[in-house]
Amino acid sequence: EMQLLESGGGFVQPGGSLRLSCAASGFTFRAYAMNWVRQAPGKGLEWVSAISGGADNDRNTNYAESVKGRFTISRENSKNTLFLQLDSLRDEDTAVYYCARDRCSSCYYQYGMDVWGQGTTVTVSS
Amino acid sequence: EIVLTQSPGTLSLSPGERATFSCRASQRVSGSYLAWYQQKPGQAPRLLIFGASNRADGIPDRFSASGSGTDFTLTISRLELEDFAVYYCQQFDTSPYTFGQGTKVDIK
Repeated sequence: EMQLLESGGGFVQPGGSLRLSCAASGFTFRAYAMNWVRQAPGKGLEWVSAISGGADNDRNTNYAESVKGRFTISRENSKNTLFLQLDSLRDEDTAVYYCARDRCSSCYYQYGMDVWGQGTTVTVSS
Repeated sequence: EIVLTQSPGTLSLSPGERATFSCRASQRVSGSYLAWYQQKPGQAPRLLIFGASNRADGIPDRFSASGSGTDFTLTISRLELEDFAVYYCQQFDTSPYTFGQGTKVDIK
């Protein structure tokens, strides 16, 4: 069974940092682009960041404007794990953070996210 | 940034009725890179449609979608109780890979 399991969420003060992890199982993790998507309380979905699959020396990353320069996505294929480093956190970063896999193996582009984790909650407040 | 505008914001319908959702993009989106998701309260989203019109694995054929350019549509032919949820479109044409704001389908 394909699974994604997020961890690392918690309560942090504005300006603080957190590192989210997403452990993948049941599929060939290295072959898939991966994403982080967040959802603030009572709000819609917001795409946060993506990282390409494939070779370690040919990694492509993308970010939403709202997190560019503050968040860093990375992956460790040997451990089937996706990360999101959250720095300079703001109140508006409070959300459930989901990791999600694109449906296409070994593809350059993404087409839709077909495997999702259950989410980890980040709360930023003083 | 490509802005996706979904309409209506809320649809109030009865089981058995047809539901139609619109997703309009602020600039052209290749149909290959338009997806639709369903989300129920307390759950992660579920991929319904990719490539503008292709059902994802396990999605019943009462769900269909179409569109090109800047206008895309998701249709549920006959609503079942399990379909009352929020529906989002998303584009992967150009980063950032934005979502629409969602359409909620509730029971009339």
